[in-house]
Amino acid sequence: SQKIEQNSEALNIQEGKTATLTCNYTNYSPAYLQWYRQDPGRGPVFLLLIRENEKEKRKERLKVTFDTTLKQSLFHITASQPADSATYLCALDNRGTYKYIFGTGTRLKVLA
Amino acid sequence: EPEVTQTPSHQVTQMGQEVILRCVPISNHLYFYWYRQILGQKVEFLVSFYNNEISEKSEIFDDQFSVERPDGSNFTLKIRSTKLEDSAMYFCASSVPRNTEAFFGQGTRLTVV
Repeated sequence: SQKIEQNSEALNIQEGKTATLTCNYTNYSPAYLQWYRQDPGRGPVFLLLIRENEKEKRKERLKVTFDTTLKQSLFHITASQPADSATYLCALDNRGTYKYIFGTGTRLKVLA
Repeated sequence: EPEVTQTPSHQVTQMGQEVILRCVPISNHLYFYWYRQILGQKVEFLVSFYNNEISEKSEIFDDQFSVERPDGSNFTLKIRSTKLEDSAMYFCASSVPRNTEAFFGQGTRLTVV
């Protein structure tokens, strides 16, 4: 069956450290993968997109990697701040489809 | 900054009633989507819409659901006869081409009683 799995447990880290979130997928063949941030009661907000032929993408303190062999994406937030506390969602397409399929999300809490 | 707007922000309805959720996508976007999120669960795809027709729909999007783009700006989701299990946050999203970032609205919280 098709699955997109993210760490179901909340991730607590100390301010200033690097947070690393994982997204693993099974039985999908994505052309691209995206990461979104979601705050409670709000809609997802786009952060980064990485294509299948890219290994790594960066934007300010954010970095995403995409390994199509391992079927995994890693999302890093460096120098984390309490304001980074939120749920982070990975989303992928399934080649040739007109939809984004979301993972379950990982709740990140950055402690001051 | 352009944004996707959704109305109402909260709707309470009696079971069996029809509801229409409204969305105004970003003006130059071509692809439109509805997603839902049951409290504490993941964001689930309902339907995508392009060129005035449904491109894809999930198994959740049964005959009780319909979408429409009645004019050049609005995009609506209709639920014909609501059930208790339709209670969720409904998000509208839009994108320019389909393989780029999606912009999401703030959602409509639907409560069926």
